[in-house]
Amino acid sequence: NAGVTQTPKFQVLKTGQSMTLQCAQDMNHNSMYWYRQDPGMGLRLIYYSASEGTTDKGEVPNGYNVSRLNKREFSLRLESAAPSQTSVYFCASSDSVIAKAFFGQGTRLTVV
Amino acid sequence: DQQVKQNSPSLSVQEGRISILNCDYTNSMFDYFLWYKKYPAEGPTFLISISSIKDKNEDGRFTVFLNKSAKHLSLHIVPSQPGDSAVYFCAASARAAGGTSYGKLTFGQGTILTVHP
Repeated sequence: NAGVTQTPKFQVLKTGQSMTLQCAQDMNHNSMYWYRQDPGMGLRLIYYSASEGTTDKGEVPNGYNVSRLNKREFSLRLESAAPSQTSVYFCASSDSVIAKAFFGQGTRLTVV
Repeated sequence: DQQVKQNSPSLSVQEGRISILNCDYTNSMFDYFLWYKKYPAEGPTFLISISSIKDKNEDGRFTVFLNKSAKHLSLHIVPSQPGDSAVYFCAASARAAGGTSYGKLTFGQGTILTVHP
């Protein structure tokens, strides 16, 4: 019963490097999300995908791109990492009928 | 524009007493509210929710109260236990106009609850 799986769990990048955070869910949910958590800021939405083939910007999309590869997978890409993107990133999924979202374990990203 | 606000960054409570965590929202379109609990190095986990058609929902030691006119909700934990020490986030969602599907969750900043033995 995996739920939402994120990889990697930890990553250190140099400024300007690129990377992709992977997320997969096995609950057959339509909606998937990427949030970032920073101290005192709560969970802020980066991008979301209401269904396969659609993506929309959230509150803090600058510097990120996403791909909804299929119903199970939703990836987040940093094209040119900046120190301001140092954060903990959470992927989540939900059945849009009931609103409740399930979260992955998080990816702790440090950009130096 | 913070649509969901948790104005208390932290709360300290003695074991066995009541913990009350508060949350305010500004968007009148929100019609479903949730509380999540988060331990360090883990993802948030769902705790309890309430629809806007109710003013109270109870699940064991956890009760959520909703005051729509004040745009305020609160989470009561009775009795509090040391294992309840965590960060608590409130979240809100709205259904698309004319639809039945809920959209994205908007979260508050979180409140760190510490329950002392």
